[in-house]
Amino acid sequence: SQTIHQWPATLVQPVGSPLSLECTVEGTSNPNLYWYRQAAGRGLQLLFYSVGIGQISSEVPQNLSASRPQDRQFILSSKKLLLSDSGFYLCASHYYGYTFGSGTRLTVV
Amino acid sequence: AQTVTQSQPEMSVQEAETVTLSCTYDTSESDYYLFWYKQPPSRQMILVIRQEAYKQQNATENRFSVNFQKAAKSFSLKISDSQLGDAAMYFCAYRTPGGAGNNRKLIWGLGTSLAVNP
Repeated sequence: SQTIHQWPATLVQPVGSPLSLECTVEGTSNPNLYWYRQAAGRGLQLLFYSVGIGQISSEVPQNLSASRPQDRQFILSSKKLLLSDSGFYLCASHYYGYTFGSGTRLTVV
Repeated sequence: AQTVTQSQPEMSVQEAETVTLSCTYDTSESDYYLFWYKQPPSRQMILVIRQEAYKQQNATENRFSVNFQKAAKSFSLKISDSQLGDAAMYFCAYRTPGGAGNNRKLIWGLGTSLAVNP
């Protein structure tokens, strides 16, 4: 079965600072990988997905970017954070079923 | 484009009672998957139940069961003998079947917040 490691669990960053959230997957190879954002009390918004190394698709225009340097590694980045980037970020993997990471709560101050 | 609608932002149920959460969806596909996910205060996303559209039999997982009405595009979740630990946000989700190069994206409803009263 798949296991997703996502870190950090909590992050407080000032406006204009860079961001790097990392997600790694165990127990599978060549999964589809996803980054979701969830605003407080709201549903999940798909930000990026990747079907393979170096292949990134963006769902919404934004201040964020994603990269997949290795098969089981998915990174969410920003060069300069905005207040509106605050939220709960979830990494997910799909290989014969979805598995979610434990999430990162990002607060931009 | 496919959409998923959860018309009940909040629900409550007494402990040991039964509650049904509603979900409708819109699609032109004939083959797809439907899911219910639970998100407790820890915010970990947990799969509750899954239904394949080609299966007529409703999926069941212990106290959780679904009423899948394909023609009506309805997929409700019934929780029997509700427990305090069932209190969470519940999300309905839809996915087209996989295939080479398919991104297998989930389409999500906005969720229903379920409170369980002792």
